[in-house]
Amino acid sequence: GQNIDQPTEMTATEGAIVQINCTYQTSGFNGLFWYQQHAGEAPTFLSYNVLDGLEEKGRFSSFLSRSKGYSYLLLKELQMKDSASYLCAVRLMIKAAGNKLTFGGGTRVLVKP
Amino acid sequence: EAGVTQFPSHSVIEKGQTVTLRCDPISGHDNLYWYRRVMGKEIKFLLHFVKESKQDESGMPNNRFLAERTGGTYSTLKVQPAELEDSGVYFCASSRDRVGGYGYTFGSGTRLTVV
Repeated sequence: GQNIDQPTEMTATEGAIVQINCTYQTSGFNGLFWYQQHAGEAPTFLSYNVLDGLEEKGRFSSFLSRSKGYSYLLLKELQMKDSASYLCAVRLMIKAAGNKLTFGGGTRVLVKP
Repeated sequence: EAGVTQFPSHSVIEKGQTVTLRCDPISGHDNLYWYRRVMGKEIKFLLHFVKESKQDESGMPNNRFLAERTGGTYSTLKVQPAELEDSGVYFCASSRDRVGGYGYTFGSGTRLTVV
């Protein structure tokens, strides 16, 4: 089966840095996504990694190691509005048309003043 | 562009009743997905449409769930009859690109409560 693990909750201080880890064991791999979801709202796309290495986008960076089945999302200069759930999701490539995502349970990040 | 729209945002129904959820994808997005999150669990894939065709329905839990996408535009997901374990948040997502791309655009979800 498919297994994606990420911590349930993390707390950090405004202005600090937080790193959210995600490990995965899946049959097939065609990219890893990070989404942000505020309570009651739609998950919104943050980042996408398909090759090993670091992708930086403003205050957010995402890293992937395919050999280790590991990714992390790094949030810098935390702001109160960053309090949300962060979802790690792997895209499986099953057949040529397959494009579904398998999600982890999400990490709830609480930013304190 | 307008986002993915889901209706209703909330629905409370009794066990045994029927509920129909609707999703309007972003215009021009051929790919439409349904996902759901039941309490305390991760978001799980239900099915994938390419235009009006069901590309992958491997995540549909049982035959009480019926999804349609007539004309390749909006989609409906009907649960008949609803059971208590169907409670959760049902998300719809759409994308233009089938294989590549940078993720889907999700709707805000329909929170379904079966009592």
